Amino acid sequence: GAVVSQHPSRVICKSGTSVKIECRSLDFQATTMFWYRQFPKKSLMLMATSNEGSKATYEQGVEKDKFLINHASLTLSTLTVTSAHPEDSSFYICSAPLQGNTDTQYFGPGTRLTVL
Amino acid sequence: EDQVTQSPEALRLQEGESSSLNCSYTVSGLRGLFWYRQDPGKGPEFLFTLYSAGEEKEKERLKATLTKKESFLHITAPKPEDSATYLCAVGSQGNLIFGKGTKLSVKP
Repeated sequence: GAVVSQHPSRVICKSGTSVKIECRSLDFQATTMFWYRQFPKKSLMLMATSNEGSKATYEQGVEKDKFLINHASLTLSTLTVTSAHPEDSSFYICSAPLQGNTDTQYFGPGTRLTVL
Repeated sequence: EDQVTQSPEALRLQEGESSSLNCSYTVSGLRGLFWYRQDPGKGPEFLFTLYSAGEEKEKERLKATLTKKESFLHITAPKPEDSATYLCAVGSQGNLIFGKGTKLSVKP
């Protein structure tokens, strides 16, 4: 199967700082990547769709200025949580579909963000 | 509104005790039903994709089936290493809509 990596796996930051999370497709190219957020005992919630070379598409209720997404290449998308607050603490997961198959998504290992 | 409901929320089995997990869905324009396994603190691991009613797929002790309204994940003679949360998702217009998952615990 396809491999997707995320970095860092865990990050702890102070309130008010910004944190960048990277998502890479290691053995395939991804023109589209997805960013999810997962709360304990809850479904994965789609935050935004990252499109290579164009603006991301955000789901309703997700603040564009707070969660900045950049899809700079066919193998890399980044999510920056700006001016983080404790309520932003969560498990962030990215996914990417194999090119030519937009349905089967492969997920990264996730990033645990803790904002103090 | 597109919706995915998984049951039960949690399931405890003895090693070797077979059972099934349920995923009921309502979606306009189904573009696949997906099963994933998620271990604590990890991202979901892809298991199966089903596209049409009557389709079945197997992988080791797992078998997934699909009808027009629901999917089942059958676990035959489970082992402790099968303990995980199993997530069901439906594809709709390029997005995935996830259920809350079933947390499976298999005791030796």
